Amino acid sequence: QQQVKQSPQSLIVQKGGISIINCAYENTAFDYFPWYQQFPGKGPALLIAIRPDVSEKKEGRFTISFNKSAKQFSLHIMDSQPGDSATYFCGGDSNYQLIWGAGTKLIIKP
Amino acid sequence: EAQVTQNPRYLITVTGKKLTVTCSQNMNHEYMSWYRQDPGLGLRQIYYSMNVEVTDKGDVPEGYKVSRKEKRNFPLILESPSPNQTSLYFCASSQQGFNQPQHFGDGTRLSIL
Repeated sequence: QQQVKQSPQSLIVQKGGISIINCAYENTAFDYFPWYQQFPGKGPALLIAIRPDVSEKKEGRFTISFNKSAKQFSLHIMDSQPGDSATYFCGGDSNYQLIWGAGTKLIIKP
Repeated sequence: EAQVTQNPRYLITVTGKKLTVTCSQNMNHEYMSWYRQDPGLGLRQIYYSMNVEVTDKGDVPEGYKVSRKEKRNFPLILESPSPNQTSLYFCASSQQGFNQPQHFGDGTRLSIL
């Protein structure tokens, strides 16, 4: 069974803090790992993605850290802001579809 | 504006009454897909289409049908809806495949009584 396991299910972080969401995958053939951000009432939107030939990718306050040997990757949100409050999904590719994590509801407290 | 448009946004209906959720994209994307989102389960793919007249099953295709007669449209059909199909549905498209940025519609919330 190909899965992407995401944790935690929910996360509360103070404004200005670092939010960290983790994902683990099983299939070593995966070669594309995106993170999507979803606000209430909206569809998910691509936030940042990485391929396994690099260990880290940074875009503004958002960083993906990738550990190929451990089959794990994580999203770090630096200087978290109330506007970052959303549900975050990780994913891994498999043939013609993405396998999605179950999602993390992130709340940033002012 | 580049967008994926789903209709209706909300629908309450009864078991067995056929319904269609429409999806249209204006980005000339090759790849389109339908997902359902349920609490604690994330997004699960129902069907996808790599191009016109090419469709294939995702993880949870039972009880659903799709068609891709035109590049821009990818309707989802529930021929005989049942209560276990009550869910939030999303249509998505991307330039050529799943491993490129997918653009999502705003969702359709279906309630089957």
